[in-house]
Amino acid sequence: DGGITQSPKYLFRKEGQNVTLSCEQNLNHDAMYWYRQDPGQGLRLIYYSQIVNDFQKGDIAEGYSVSREKKESFPLTVTSAQKNPTAFYLCASSIMWGIYNEQFFGPGTRLTVL
Amino acid sequence: DQQVKQNSPSLSVQEGRISILNCDYTNSMFDYFLWYKKYPAEGPTFLISISSIKDKNEDGRFTVFLNKSAKHLSLHIVPSQPGDSAVYFCAASEETSGSRLTFGEGTQLTVNP
Repeated sequence: DGGITQSPKYLFRKEGQNVTLSCEQNLNHDAMYWYRQDPGQGLRLIYYSQIVNDFQKGDIAEGYSVSREKKESFPLTVTSAQKNPTAFYLCASSIMWGIYNEQFFGPGTRLTVL
Repeated sequence: DQQVKQNSPSLSVQEGRISILNCDYTNSMFDYFLWYKKYPAEGPTFLISISSIKDKNEDGRFTVFLNKSAKHLSLHIVPSQPGDSAVYFCAASEETSGSRLTFGEGTQLTVNP
């Protein structure tokens, strides 16, 4: 089965700790994305990667970091600098970068910082 | 600056009737529009899309209409089914921004049996 996996589904961390969210895809997609969803809001883009070994900041990158060392993997680190990290985090991928390329989403990780 | 807005946070319809979800945008450079459906605690799934050269696109029970002059799009679901109950997001992109999508806030659709 091809798809996007995110783990874990629920994650709890103490304030001040860095935490890394996993995202893996076996769709052979070039482009990958991280979004954040807060209650009553749409999805906001954190980081994106057009191709392996490349990534750019999205609209709300402050306090986050990513890497793209393998085509299938795009982990997101939520650092202690992120002021309000509790949210639902979604990873997505598309065949390639460019308009008209539909994005496929993973099941999400709900991060709660205590 | 909210470039894509879904002004109705919620919509309730009877099973078998039409559901109409609306979306407005302000950026005239947007030229590709998508609708996603999302169940609680899951990722969104793609429903249907439309490019700016069209004013209508149909896929089974789902039809998207685009009115460029009004900067408005709508998603029609006919007939509505209880399994359609979910949050629906519209999203838009422009060619110069590649794959970057701007999402609306979402509308919670409830289809009552």
